[in-house]
Amino acid sequence: DAGVTQSPTHLIKTRGQQVTLRCSPKSGHDTVSWYQQALGQGPQFIFQYYEEEERQRGNFPDRFSGHQFPNYSSELNVNALLLGDSALYLCASSQVPSWGNYGYTFGSGTRLTVV
Amino acid sequence: AQTVTQSQPEMSVQEAETVTLSCTYDTSESDYYLFWYKQPPSRQMILVIRQEAYKQQNATENRFSVNFQKAAKSFSLKISDSQLGDAAMYFCAFNLGQNFVFGPGTRLSVLP
Repeated sequence: DAGVTQSPTHLIKTRGQQVTLRCSPKSGHDTVSWYQQALGQGPQFIFQYYEEEERQRGNFPDRFSGHQFPNYSSELNVNALLLGDSALYLCASSQVPSWGNYGYTFGSGTRLTVV
Repeated sequence: AQTVTQSQPEMSVQEAETVTLSCTYDTSESDYYLFWYKQPPSRQMILVIRQEAYKQQNATENRFSVNFQKAAKSFSLKISDSQLGDAAMYFCAFNLGQNFVFGPGTRLSVLP
C-alpha cells in the first residue's frame, strides 16, 4: 500500500520564479494538508484541501495557493519566490473526519532551494 | 497564543540508556490531543506516541512513554533502552482543529 508520494524530491529555483509541488495521498485518504519546514524549525501549517476546496489556511501570504484534483492528489503553487521560501515542503494525507488527528500520513517532502 | 516550546535543541544518550525530551505548550483549546513525531534523515514524519488531553493516564508505546501534566501544560517523552535507530529529530505537537502546531524540535543522538 503506497504511502504519500511527493514530487519532485529536490528543486532549485530563482527569486521571482514560480514553482509547483505535487502530492499523491495515501490510498483511501481524501484530505491533503501542506506544511513548510524551514531549516532547523518545526513544520508550519500552510493549508488543507478536502473535496477540492481549501478548508483551512495558516498564516501564509496569497503567493501560496493550492489545488486538489478529483483523484484527491494536490498541488502547492508558490509565486514570486523569495529567498525565505527555501524550505522542506511536507504533504500529509488523512481521512476526514480524522478524530484527534489520528491516521495522518506524511510524505518525505520536497526540498526547495531559492537562489 | 498557540505555541509549542522544546527547550532542548540537542540531546544525546548512550545506547541502552534512558533519555527524556521536554515539551511545553500553550493552547486555548479545552479538548485537544498531544503528539510526539520522529523525523529521521529520510525526512518523513513518523508518529511516536499520542495522548488525549482528557485522559489522566500517561500513554505508552513499547519503549516510549510520556509524562503529561495538563495543569502545567507539559508533555515530556521518555525513551527507554535507547537504540541507534532512535537517532532523529523529535517534534512535540498538538492539534489545532484538523491540523498540527509543532515545536522547533530536539535532535537526539544515540552513542554506541
